[in-house]
Amino acid sequence: DIQMTQSPSSLSASVGDRVTITCQASQDISNYLNWYQQKPGKAPNLLIYDASDLEAGVPSRFSGRGSGRDFTFTISSLQPEDIATYYCQQYDDLPLTFGGGTKVEIK
Amino acid sequence: EVQLVESGGGLVQPGGSLRLSCAASGFTLSNYTMHWVRQAPGKGLEWLSYISGTSNTIFYSDSVTGRFTISRDNAKNSLYLQMNSLRAEDTAVYYCARDGVVVVPGQFDYWGQGTLVTVSS
Repeated sequence: DIQMTQSPSSLSASVGDRVTITCQASQDISNYLNWYQQKPGKAPNLLIYDASDLEAGVPSRFSGRGSGRDFTFTISSLQPEDIATYYCQQYDDLPLTFGGGTKVEIK
Repeated sequence: EVQLVESGGGLVQPGGSLRLSCAASGFTLSNYTMHWVRQAPGKGLEWLSYISGTSNTIFYSDSVTGRFTISRDNAKNSLYLQMNSLRAEDTAVYYCARDGVVVVPGQFDYWGQGTLVTVSS
């Protein structure tokens, strides 16, 4: 199975801060990587697909980059409504696997 | 508007069975691969299974192979997950999710609200 290692597991930042989350795959997954946002008590929501493509309707402050094994997800200016847990997920191979999640809080 | 609504969750004893359903609307179900994903309380996301639009291709994670069966009825706009031999570690919120990719499955573009399954005596 492809292991997805996400870091940090949690972070606290101020409104307006730039926030970056990293995700490393245990093997080369090309760009077969997605990022999801999950707010408390809600289902996940697709934000970024194919490592760097923004899903329709998602604010442009969210972005992703990377290929191969190393990926980053960035919120350029943290907003109060961005409080959530973020997950990376690979779909290069089965089983589909997720990172452990990064809980983002407001300082 | 795309909607996915899960049902069928509840409390079940270890070793018991449960059948989850996912009612789809707002799109043509037969055109899409569908998935089941679960989330144990306070934990991360775990993919369980997917089924192609025509049911020709089905895959399971090792954790549920031989115990869970995914199926669909496109005429009824429904996806199912039959869960047998349930264990305490199967306790989780179960989500159905639509796959947004035609060629390589694995991009969950719409999710249901989830249904809670609790396995306990």
